[in-house]
Amino acid sequence: AQSVAQPEDQVNVAEGNPLTVKCTYSVSGNPYLFWYVQYPNRGLQFLLKYITGDNLVKGSYGFEAEFNKSQTSFHLKKPSALVSDSALYFCATMKIKAAGNKLTFGGGTRVLVKP
Amino acid sequence: EAGVAQSPRYKIIEKRQSVAFWCNPISGHATLYWYQQILGQGPKLLIQFQNNGVVDDSQLPKDRFSAERLKGVDSTLKIQPAKLEDSAVYLCASSFSSGGGPGELFFGEGSRLTVL
Repeated sequence: AQSVAQPEDQVNVAEGNPLTVKCTYSVSGNPYLFWYVQYPNRGLQFLLKYITGDNLVKGSYGFEAEFNKSQTSFHLKKPSALVSDSALYFCATMKIKAAGNKLTFGGGTRVLVKP
Repeated sequence: EAGVAQSPRYKIIEKRQSVAFWCNPISGHATLYWYQQILGQGPKLLIQFQNNGVVDDSQLPKDRFSAERLKGVDSTLKIQPAKLEDSAVYLCASSFSSGGGPGELFFGEGSRLTVL
């Protein structure tokens, strides 16, 4: 079965400091990995995805993620966090099926950026 | 481009009552998903449609939940009768990819259900 794990329920960081949100995966075959963000009372917004190629993936709002095959990790990073980055972040893995792809989410990590 | 539309945004019902949620996906998206997001948890897939056919409903509690996607466009998710544990946000998502590659899902803003 495809799964991802987010070991931290919450991450606190001061504004201007680097932000890292951790994710590890367990998949058979090639991993297709995603990050989504959810602001209060809103749906999920796509940030970035890893399909193949360069291990460093750049996404929206200055976020990037590093794919590490040996550690089965796909950590989300931002060099300098903003207060507006405070939100719920979800890592996800996608299984490719002929009848339609399936996206499975981790439990989420709440990020709180303090001024 | 219009996003995924959902209604109602909020619904409060008594247990054992019924409720229905509606979703209109992005135009041209063949795949439609309904996820359940309980407070403090990640979204869990309930049902997945490819056009108007069901491709995955393995986690749908079929004794009380039902969903349909008539004409391969709009979809409705119904709960009857509702239980307290059904309190959650119901997220609809759509995707253009029909298995040809890992395209991202686009989500609506969700329908928040409170069962009293």
